Amino acid sequence: DIVMTQSPDSLAVSLGERATINCKSSQSILHSSSNKNLLSWFQQKPGQPPRVLIYWASTRESGVPDRFSGSGSGTDFTLTINNLQAEDVAVYYCHQYYSTPRWTFGQGTKVEIK
Amino acid sequence: EVQLVQSGAEVKKPGESLRISCKASGYRFSSYWIGWVRQMPGKGLEWMGIIYPGDSDTKYSPSFQGQVTISADKSTSTAYLRWSSLTASDTAMYFCAVAGSKGVDYWGQGTRVTVSS
Repeated sequence: DIVMTQSPDSLAVSLGERATINCKSSQSILHSSSNKNLLSWFQQKPGQPPRVLIYWASTRESGVPDRFSGSGSGTDFTLTINNLQAEDVAVYYCHQYYSTPRWTFGQGTKVEIK
Repeated sequence: EVQLVQSGAEVKKPGESLRISCKASGYRFSSYWIGWVRQMPGKGLEWMGIIYPGDSDTKYSPSFQGQVTISADKSTSTAYLRWSSLTASDTAMYFCAVAGSKGVDYWGQGTRVTVSS
């Protein structure tokens, strides 16, 4: 199975600053025929199901603020939150669906306000 | 509008059986993989398994193979997750989720399962 490893496990960022979360897959998740990286990022707040923020590694979901962005290809990916807001406090997960139907998730990164 | 409505919270005793459900609407149920994800208290997301309702093809994570049974009823557009004998370590929130072009395109609201003597 593809293993997804996030770093860091948690980070504290001041309001208005940038948060950067990394995700590394144990093998490439670039789908050759579509040239798309089959990786998404989710945000989860307490008591809620996860919410998709980014898919295909860098495509922002409709309605997601543009301060959220995704980048990377192959095995290394990054979620960047610019101008961090109080409502961005949450746990963030990366998710590979290259091996669908066998999904794997990163272990999660908790983002807090410094 | 796609909706996944999960059954309500459950409190069970060790050794009891349980089946929770996820009723789908707003899309062609038979044509999309629908999976189950566990989240233990304070922990991350774990993929348990997934089913393709069209032909009932089912895949399990090695961690959950033999521990749970996933099924689907096309006539009611409902997916199920079943335990034959619960243990305290099954205490968790369980989400159903539909696969799509974004990986997981839709999530259910979650079903909390508590197993305690």
